[in-house]
Amino acid sequence: EAGVTQFPSHSVIEKGQTVTLRCDPISGHDNLYWYRRVMGKEIKFLLHFVKESKQDESGMPNNRFLAERTGGTYSTLKVQPAELEDSGVYFCASSHRNGSAGELNEQFFGPGTRLTVL
Amino acid sequence: AQSVTQLGSHVSVSEGALVLLRCNYSSSVPPYLFWYVQYPNQGLQLLLKYTSAATLVKGINGFEAEFKKSETSFHLTKPSAHMSDAAEYFCAVSRGYQKVTFGTGTKLQVIP
Repeated sequence: EAGVTQFPSHSVIEKGQTVTLRCDPISGHDNLYWYRRVMGKEIKFLLHFVKESKQDESGMPNNRFLAERTGGTYSTLKVQPAELEDSGVYFCASSHRNGSAGELNEQFFGPGTRLTVL
Repeated sequence: AQSVTQLGSHVSVSEGALVLLRCNYSSSVPPYLFWYVQYPNQGLQLLLKYTSAATLVKGINGFEAEFKKSETSFHLTKPSAHMSDAAEYFCAVSRGYQKVTFGTGTKLQVIP
């Protein structure tokens, strides 16, 4: 079974440009999550999709970030316009559909996309 | 609210020595706890997880962690460090299907 894949693995862009990151979750996983690690800081949650709906977007830093998951399969995270502080590693994770309330739904992480904004 | 605190951003051990990486958690409800590892230029890999089935959890590559509710701790240990254990380790907490909250990470250096 293929794991979570992310594209590209690295991206270097100039400040003010637009970048789109893609995440393909494990087939059949309804839950998809985006996380980010800025240099030297902890990995922080950005948002959570259940199928195509945004369940929790409390971690999105500002309106320069737009996440979509049309059709409930792959997801994209667009940063427009990119700023220097957006540099970091963006992780995607997926998990199976929810069980009973509070039941653990293990998240499987992708390799991440390293974004560098110059 | 939930959080984890990892003590020590860098830990160095000699090859063959005990590895101890410390993690304390805070959670208003019984948590699920995890240790993830990130090897250089790779993604996050789950080492082990605590789901309330047993307080001593065994993971991959000889690692284990013990959940101590009284101390709100979930320290990661390995009896004998190997050079291949050099990586960054993250303690994390979640509740069910919700977001995972990570600690700041501990870089483990293994000295030959």
